[in-house]
Amino acid sequence: GESVGLHLPTLSVQEGDNSIINCAYSNSASDYFIWYKQESGKGPQFIIDIRSNMDKRQGQRVTVLLNKTVKHLSLQIAATQPGDSAVYFCADRSGNTPLVFGKGTRLSVIA
Amino acid sequence: GAGVSQSPSNKVTEKGKDVELRCDPISGHTALYWYRQSLGQGLEFLIYFQGNSAPDKSGLPSDRFSAERTGGSVSTLTIQRTQQEDSAVYLCASSLDGAGYGYTFGSGTRLTVV
Repeated sequence: GESVGLHLPTLSVQEGDNSIINCAYSNSASDYFIWYKQESGKGPQFIIDIRSNMDKRQGQRVTVLLNKTVKHLSLQIAATQPGDSAVYFCADRSGNTPLVFGKGTRLSVIA
Repeated sequence: GAGVSQSPSNKVTEKGKDVELRCDPISGHTALYWYRQSLGQGLEFLIYFQGNSAPDKSGLPSDRFSAERTGGSVSTLTIQRTQQEDSAVYLCASSLDGAGYGYTFGSGTRLTVV
């Protein structure tokens, strides 16, 4: 089946800088996209989602961008903080099908 | 409850034994999912329950794996004759329905087969 992948497995950023985590997806029928944050020993936690009829959505310090032309999804974190250190997963789905997750990007924030 | 609850949080079992993992979804959530996460890996879909529909078992890796959901609420994932490659974190999630919503995950059950 189709799968979701990530460009980079690890990302290190300085505290206070902006972080950008990228994701490529392959299912052109995907209509819903989501980012999760997973801290050590915990389950994934919802960050932000976006539907295919949108190309940008903002939350608190986070922005998700969707480029359907090149099947690319990104998560931007503004003013990255030590508490943002975690593994970030993107996932997509088409209709009622289960979310398909990528392998994750580990974000390390350098104080 | 306020969140998705999974038990046990940790389970160590001997190779060849059967194990049962439990998931209590958020009340009112009709969709329930099981995923498996091996060390340093992404989430692998196992099985999906939606209301009274037949479950989507397309992700189960072998016939040693099965799951049921009783009364549209609690779910149990059973692994028979466990193997070392079954060692992983088993995550359960629920959502309001099967489409258009993100999932709320539990903290998972860490299964170690020795």
